[in-house]
Amino acid sequence: EIVLTQSPGTLSLSPGEGATLSCRASQNFRGDHLAWYQQKPGQAPRLLIYGVSTRASGIPDRFSGSGSGTDFTLTINRLEPEDFAFYYCQQYGYSPRTFGQGTKVEV
Amino acid sequence: QVQLVQSGAEVKKPGASVKTSCRASGYTFTTYYIHWVRQAPGQSLEWMALINPRLGTVSSAQKFQDRVTVTSDTSTGTVYMALSSLTSADTAVYFCTRGEQLTPAPFDLWGQGTLVTVSA
Repeated sequence: EIVLTQSPGTLSLSPGEGATLSCRASQNFRGDHLAWYQQKPGQAPRLLIYGVSTRASGIPDRFSGSGSGTDFTLTINRLEPEDFAFYYCQQYGYSPRTFGQGTKVEV
Repeated sequence: QVQLVQSGAEVKKPGASVKTSCRASGYTFTTYYIHWVRQAPGQSLEWMALINPRLGTVSSAQKFQDRVTVTSDTSTGTVYMALSSLTSADTAVYFCTRGEQLTPAPFDLWGQGTLVTVSA
């Protein structure tokens, strides 16, 4: 099973600042089957990025994804108040699909 | 409206089983896998299983293979997930979510979640 390790665990920032979230895979996996989700308390996750760098429908362009091999990054430019949430990376190319442990972006 | 609507919260005793449902609407039910993902309190997301709703074939994580049963009813667009031999460690919100079938696909639509509480 592919283990995804996210860092940092918590990111304390202010609105308007930028955020860089990391996701490292335990092995180099083929393809670009890496996604990022946002989750707010009491809600289901929402797909932000898939295929490493493709924004899902309706996702603003301040969210961007990059990376390859074992190292992937979610960047959020100019944090808006609604961006303070949990973020999870996921690999969906291998079974079992696996998620990282999450990064909390807090004010 | 494209959505997945899940059944309501459940409270079960240790050793019991639970069966939850996920009804799809607004899209062609048989063209997407339905996955089950759970989230224990304060924890990350954990993939449990998927079903091909048209064929009824299931693939599950090894951890759950002996305890999870996933079925589909194409006439109502509903998928059911049953989990047996419950312990307190199974207390979690259980989400259904969909992914395209043709290629490895992310989960682009989620149900609202069903809270399952296991307590004596």
